Amino acid sequence: GENVEQHPSTLSVQEGDSAVIKCTYSDSASNYFPWYKQELGKGPQLIIDIRSNVGEKKDQRIAVTLNKTAKHFSLHITETQPEDSAVYFCAASIVDYKLSFGAGTTVTVRA
Amino acid sequence: SAVISQKPSRDICQRGTSLTIQCQVDSQVTMMFWYRQQPGQSLTLIATANQGSEATYESGFVIDKFPISRPNLTFSTLTVSNMSPEDSSIYLCSVDHSNKPYGYTFGSGTRLTVV
Repeated sequence: GENVEQHPSTLSVQEGDSAVIKCTYSDSASNYFPWYKQELGKGPQLIIDIRSNVGEKKDQRIAVTLNKTAKHFSLHITETQPEDSAVYFCAASIVDYKLSFGAGTTVTVRA
Repeated sequence: SAVISQKPSRDICQRGTSLTIQCQVDSQVTMMFWYRQQPGQSLTLIATANQGSEATYESGFVIDKFPISRPNLTFSTLTVSNMSPEDSSIYLCSVDHSNKPYGYTFGSGTRLTVV
């Protein structure tokens, strides 16, 4: 099955700086790559996603890049704010809709 | 996006007992999923809840331990049976969006502690 690795496990950044989280996947058939943000006591929330026919996608301060050849994708958060502090999960999916999640990255934005 | 109500939000249960978790969606959805998130860990898919047929379980999860019902397109239950402390986790319901394949929404989860 699909194996998704996520790095780093923890990330501390100064407010206003950028944060980058990287994921790799094993199954070349994967074609959908969402990113979720989970705040304490809440369920994961989809923040951005990308499909295999696109190399980059941006939504305000958040961007995701995908390198299908290398089988890795990354989340970029610019101009970080305290409310960006949360656990972020990457995931990958093949056509049968099953999401395989990375281990998660705890992001702390220091004021 | 779909709004998911999951109940209970948390519970403390005695070992050997069972707990049924409910997931109610405000619109009809094709696919519903149940995940487990152990403390400080990632999400692991337990099963896909199929309307009108038996759930499809992932490796390591069995129907006797995690029976699932899906009586219609807006509701599902997950039962955690004969609980042990190792079952202490957050259990999450997730649904797809019929007009946006792969766009899963998650409920807020049920935080289960088994003592």
